[in-house]
Amino acid sequence: KAGVTQTPRYLIKTRGQQVTLSCSPISGHRSVSWYQQTPGQGLQFLFEYFSETQRNKGNFPGRFSGRQFSNSRSEMNVSTLELGDSALYLCASSGARTNEQFFGPGTRLTVL
Amino acid sequence: GNSVTQMEGPVTLSEEAFLTINCTYTATGYPSLFWYVQYPGEGLQLLLKATKADDKGSNKGFEATYRKETTSFHLEKGSVQVSDSAVYFCALSDPANDYKLSFGAGTTVTVRA
Repeated sequence: KAGVTQTPRYLIKTRGQQVTLSCSPISGHRSVSWYQQTPGQGLQFLFEYFSETQRNKGNFPGRFSGRQFSNSRSEMNVSTLELGDSALYLCASSGARTNEQFFGPGTRLTVL
Repeated sequence: GNSVTQMEGPVTLSEEAFLTINCTYTATGYPSLFWYVQYPGEGLQLLLKATKADDKGSNKGFEATYRKETTSFHLEKGSVQVSDSAVYFCALSDPANDYKLSFGAGTTVTVRA
């Protein structure tokens, strides 16, 4: 079974731009969660989508948004990028109502 | 709310040494507990898990026991290898918090030959 894939792996953007990251979950998994990882704040939960609906949300500003498609693929968008948005963005998928999450390799976003 | 506190690093060991990384947690419900490992430049991989009190998770020589009385889930390995150099994260998933994963800060382990 293929694992969680994330594209692109690396991105460089400038302040004020917007960015869209993509995540394809493991086949059959309907839940997709997003996390931001930074040296200062560690791993922080952004949001979770299940069956195209946002089920949970972390404490991030509205510039961070996401969506999920009918095939369970998910995208997250960050608008009006700030320097502090530089991070590794991780996506994880899980089967319905299980507690085990499988992570992708991440997208490394650098904001200049 | 839920929180995870794990031993601060970095930890530097020689090959074949004993490794222990302490992890304690606070949860409102009855959580499942996990250890994830992150190798340089990669995402997180599930190392082991335990879903109820007194369960022992084990994988690749690593072990951790779910201790409800001390709210702990310490990670141990009897003889580390250079390939065990990575960042280790303790995490919990609480059904009372809709299974959201809460992570510890991570512990960087470096094993020297």
